[in-house]
Amino acid sequence: DSGVTQTPKHLITATGQRVTLRCSPRSGDLSVYWYQQSLDQGLQFLIQYYNGEERAKGNILERFSAQQFPDLHSELNLSSLELGDSALYFCASSVDQGEETQYFGPGTRLLVL
Amino acid sequence: GEDVEQSLFLSVREGDSSVINCTYTDSSSTYLYWYKQEPGAGLQLLTYIFSNMDMKQDQRLTVLLNKKDKHLSLRIADTQTGDSAIYFCAVTQGNTGKLIFGQGTTLQVKP
Repeated sequence: DSGVTQTPKHLITATGQRVTLRCSPRSGDLSVYWYQQSLDQGLQFLIQYYNGEERAKGNILERFSAQQFPDLHSELNLSSLELGDSALYFCASSVDQGEETQYFGPGTRLLVL
Repeated sequence: GEDVEQSLFLSVREGDSSVINCTYTDSSSTYLYWYKQEPGAGLQLLTYIFSNMDMKQDQRLTVLLNKKDKHLSLRIADTQTGDSAIYFCAVTQGNTGKLIFGQGTTLQVKP
């Protein structure tokens, strides 16, 4: 157990819908990262937050957004969902904002029908 | 941009050593990681190496880093059936926390 929690574990929804994925980092970690794992794209970095502020952005679609709250948990919002958004979404956390070790949560498996 | 390459599949016999290889392009990566993913599970951090090291050993795991050739390898000694999983090489990009992952190597361990 990495200490990073993600909810829900599974999510099934329809195209055009909006969902929210939640992540709680390890105790004491200030950075939260979101990654997407799909069959065709592999594991891709989406976005990083550090202590409530956006720190780095990757290949995140405009339909996707994230935020980190004062209690350091983070939410990833996916809207206008398409079939191709079906993937495993991982959250990871680290102590600081640089190159420290990231610990991954169990992931949320999203299926868009 | 940064690119990380791994071979896709490796099959070994139980008790043999496994060597999983990875090449990368960004020489500024400070940390290089190996993660393990079992079927239906998340990513488990196995080990990492700092870029100023050549080798790191942790029980059955040995990481070798050749900075000149930008080549990273993970050796698993006395491979067990429980080691069957997908192994991902990952490097940090520049001085950010962003991890760039390889495609993953599926390790199959035959009894």
